Order: sequence, then structure tokens, then C-alpha cells
Amino acid sequence: RKEVEQDPGPFNVPEGATVAFNCTYSNSASQSFFWYRQDCRKEPKLLMSVYSSGNEDGRFTAQLNRASQYISLLIRDSKLSDSATYLCVVNELNDYKLSFGAGTTVTVRA
Amino acid sequence: NAGVTQTPKFQVLKTGQSMTLQCAQDMNHNSMYWYRQDPGMGLRLIYYSASEGTTDKGEVPNGYNVSRLNKREFSLRLESAAPSQTSVYFCASSESLYGYTFGSGTRLTVV
Repeated sequence: RKEVEQDPGPFNVPEGATVAFNCTYSNSASQSFFWYRQDCRKEPKLLMSVYSSGNEDGRFTAQLNRASQYISLLIRDSKLSDSATYLCVVNELNDYKLSFGAGTTVTVRA
Repeated sequence: NAGVTQTPKFQVLKTGQSMTLQCAQDMNHNSMYWYRQDPGMGLRLIYYSASEGTTDKGEVPNGYNVSRLNKREFSLRLESAAPSQTSVYFCASSESLYGYTFGSGTRLTVV
């Protein structure tokens, strides 16, 4: 079983729509959680960290559910520039090696 | 403002050839990593170096070797390339969990 699993999508949404997707992780010892964004043929870049209480960064909202071992990302008012693959990333306490999901592809259409 | 620099950006090898992927960072980070990315698999850790002078195996180390030449440079060597090593390779560096910076990647094809 993969440590981090994501729905690959693609999620095709019109501009202005809201899109949300989840990621599940298998290791209950995981302590830190992140969403990375990867544009086509580019390197991953940190989008946001995910905190236990949930957090927002502009149009992006991340949630963590430790009991069910999943994290979510919600994008409001989607822009064309949000088209990318979103990588779910987790790691264990005191271990700075990150485990990456395979990514969820989002395509925003005009 | 270079961050993490990887060379080469593209490479085609014949089965059995060897090559070294170079990675250098200018952010004074202690930790460096080599990942490979394959379709549907996500990024998988090949080797990492927690600090200068140390290296450790990651999830998929077979067929690779690494050298942490100094604090700035971390190279990945394929001694005898195989078609299964066709992939996109990313180098990354970090000082903490929140400071993972990736290079732009090396697209390697082994024929």
C-alpha cells in the first residue's frame, strides 16, 4: 500500500468554480502535512502547510483529519492559473524526508 | 537567486552507459535529496544527505550511488544505466521541513 494516496483526477472545472480533493496517508505517525503544486514539466513548489486546525491562504483552504488520516485542499473561485498537479506530502516526527503522493491534476477551463 | 541547479536538463543514454547527475545549491542548506518521478508513482526518494559527509539510502536506491562532495554539491551516479531508470530526476535541498527547494529536473531516457 502506498504511504500517500491521491485521486489522480483530472478535475476539470470552469473558471470561478470551487474544486476540492482529498489525500489519504497510511502512517499514523505522520506529523507534518503539506500541499505542493507542480506545473507541467516543472519542479514541485510548496503551496501551503496543513495545520491541525485547518488553514487558509487566499483562495486555498487546507484541512487535516487525523482520525481518518486524510487531508484536503479546496480551491475557491478557480483561476486558469490554478491548472496544475497538486501533490500531497507527509512526513514523520523528527524525519525531514518527505513522502509524496502521485498528485491530483486540476484543469481550469475558460 | 539560483537556488538549486541541476545539470544536465536532458540526457539520453544507451543501456549499460554510466553518467553523473550534478546538483548544487547556494542556500547554505544542510540537507540534500535525490528523487525520481515516474507517471502515476509520485516522487520517490533515491538517496539523501542529512549533512555534509553523510549519505543514506532512500526508498529506491538500487542502481544508484551518490556523493556529497561538499555542503553545496550532491551528485547522483548511474554506473550501468537500465531502461527502468528512465525517469525525471529532481534534486532538492532543505534546512527544515518547510524549506524544501527543488531543482528544475533532469529528464533521462535510457534506450
